[in-house]
Amino acid sequence: AQSVTQLDSQVPVFEEAPVELRCNYSSSVSVYLFWYVQYPNQGLQLLLKYLSGSTLVESINGFEAEFNKSQTSFHLRKPSVHISDTAEYFCAVRNNNAGNMLTFGGGTRLMVKP
Amino acid sequence: DVKVTQSSRYLVKRTGEKVFLECVQDMDHENMFWYRQDPGLGLRLIYFSYDVKMKEKGDIPEGYSVSREKKERFSLILESASTNQTSMYLCASSLPGTGPNEQYFGPGTRLTVT
Repeated sequence: AQSVTQLDSQVPVFEEAPVELRCNYSSSVSVYLFWYVQYPNQGLQLLLKYLSGSTLVESINGFEAEFNKSQTSFHLRKPSVHISDTAEYFCAVRNNNAGNMLTFGGGTRLMVKP
Repeated sequence: DVKVTQSSRYLVKRTGEKVFLECVQDMDHENMFWYRQDPGLGLRLIYFSYDVKMKEKGDIPEGYSVSREKKERFSLILESASTNQTSMYLCASSLPGTGPNEQYFGPGTRLTVT
């Protein structure tokens, strides 16, 4: 069985500061990794995903995540956050033998303060 | 533009009532999913369906059933609602197969059972 741990349930940060949201997973097979974002009163949207190849993946709004196989991590970073980044962020893993089922972490609420 | 819609954003039901949550997608996706979202627990899979009339149990199917009579529609049924089923319910859909196909989410239904 696989599992996903998001180490921080809440991350408060000031606007324009850097941020890192941590995600660790456990799986006995190779995986696909995802970050989803949920803005207030909305469903989840895909932010970025790692499938294979380059271990650093980027989103269109300045977030990036790095797949680290030895540490089984997929941390999400942004060098300078905006108020509009306030949302809940979910890390998810899918092993590439498991059809299309995702296992989600508990979520991290990012709170950007002016 | 891809779209997953859920029949209600907010729902209040009494203990023991039979509750239907409806989800419709317009992307001709084979796979559809029902999750519940609880603070600190992330999203947990209740049921998924990979084709019309086909269903598989997820991680927490107890107290729930599903119905998929048409490809675009996936219903979640609470046979006898209980207070511990108060939660946010999210529906998602995706393409089939073992590739890293993104799941598309609806806006969610916040169910309160009193």
